Amino acid sequence: QSVLTQPPSVSAAPGQKVTISCSGSSSNIGNNYVSWYQQLPGTAPKLLIYDNNKRPSGIPDRFSGSKSGTSATLGITGLQTGDEADYYCGTWDSSLSGGQVFGGGTKLTVL
Amino acid sequence: QITLKESGPTLVKPTQTLTLTCTFSGFLLSTNGVGVGWVRQPPRKALEWLALIYWDDDKRYRPSLKSRLTITKDTSKNQVVLTMTNVDPVDTGTYYCAHARRGYNYYFDYWGQGTLVTVSS
Repeated sequence: QSVLTQPPSVSAAPGQKVTISCSGSSSNIGNNYVSWYQQLPGTAPKLLIYDNNKRPSGIPDRFSGSKSGTSATLGITGLQTGDEADYYCGTWDSSLSGGQVFGGGTKLTVL
Repeated sequence: QITLKESGPTLVKPTQTLTLTCTFSGFLLSTNGVGVGWVRQPPRKALEWLALIYWDDDKRYRPSLKSRLTITKDTSKNQVVLTMTNVDPVDTGTYYCAHARRGYNYYFDYWGQGTLVTVSS
C-alpha cells in the first residue's frame, strides 16, 4: 500500500490529453514539492517534473505538473504511442523523518 | 554528464547480507545540495524508496527497513554502498541508485540502469 494514491491505469487516444492524479496528505504533498517519473517498459525511471511544475532540460512541454492542497496532477497533451509507460509521483513525507515516498504508479495506455 | 551504475550479486540466499555498490561519475558527492539514493522495485510492482545519503553525510532510511539498512559513501572512489541484512524473498527486485538534487525538495534526476537481485535458497 503506497502512501501516495494514483489510479492504476488511464488511457486515451493518440493526440489527446490525459491527466494522472496523485493524492496524499498534509505530511507529504500538502507541505512538500512533487516530482513525476516516467518508466518505459524494461527501463529505469526518468524524471519528468520536479518542484511541482518544473521540467528538466529535454522534457517536452507536452508534459506539465500542478499541485493543489494535498493532491498533484501530471498532464500529458498530444499523446504519442511512445508515451505508453508507467508514471510515478514522488515527494517527501515529514512523518517519516524526511523520507521519500512514491505513488503506486499509473499505467498509461495510448489506444 | 552524470552517470550511475549499480553492481552486486544477482542471487542471495535468505538471511544473508546483500551489499550493493553504486559507482557514479559526473558529480561530486561532496557538493552542497547533492545526494545519492537507493530505490527498489519488486517484480511488476511500484517503486520503493530505501535510503538516501546527502553531501554532508546525513542519512535517511525507509522506516520499515531502517534496522536492516546501512548506506555509506566513499567520495574518493565516487561510490555509495547499500547493505541490507537478513534478506528475505520479498526483497527480490530491481535495485536502482539515483542522483538526488536539491530544488525546493530533493528529487532524483539521474538514475542508474538498475540491478536485479533475487533472494532464493
